[in-house]
Amino acid sequence: AQTIHQWPVAEIKAVGSPLSLGCTIKGKSSPNLYWYWQATGGTLQQLFYSITVGQVESVVQLNLSASRPKDDQFILSTEKLLLSHSGFYLCAWSPANTEVFFGKGTRLTVV
Amino acid sequence: GQQVQQSPTSLVLQEGENAELQCNFSTSLNSMQWFYQRPGGSLISVFYNPSGTKQSGRLTSTTVIKERRSSLHISSSQITDSGTYLCAMERRSSGQKLVFGQGTILKVYL
Repeated sequence: AQTIHQWPVAEIKAVGSPLSLGCTIKGKSSPNLYWYWQATGGTLQQLFYSITVGQVESVVQLNLSASRPKDDQFILSTEKLLLSHSGFYLCAWSPANTEVFFGKGTRLTVV
Repeated sequence: GQQVQQSPTSLVLQEGENAELQCNFSTSLNSMQWFYQRPGGSLISVFYNPSGTKQSGRLTSTTVIKERRSSLHISSSQITDSGTYLCAMERRSSGQKLVFGQGTILKVYL
């Protein structure tokens, strides 16, 4: 069975500080990976996707970056957080062109 | 403009009543998925429904690709059904995997 694990569960960070959120998928080789973001009260938006190691495509620009250093790992980061980065971040995976499965998410509060 | 429109925005039901949630798409889509979003924010996949009708217990999803719409029917609603239901369409172009609607907030009371 496939599992998806996101870390941390929640973060409170200062404006201007760096951020790194992680996601690991076990039990599936070469999954498609995605990062989504939801502002409080807002609609879920896709930020990035990756179909293979080392390759990441941006969908929405939010002064964030993503990397896929391993087949089963997806990292979301920024060197300087903005207040507008607050929200809920979800990592997701799918086999090619089928159902999408989500992690439990990371709640980020930028103060 | 909004590519995925969900209706109603919110719905209040007495336990035992049926709920009908709608999702309309402004562009062509390859497939669609329904999710239940927990109060903490995590998403549970309810249906992956490329087309036609699927049923799971008290839940039924119907997707008509040509008409660009999908529905989620909840029969005999229960208090535990309360929460936010999201529909999302799959578009394989431009790298967007899922485009989400704004959700329907369902509240079921005794």
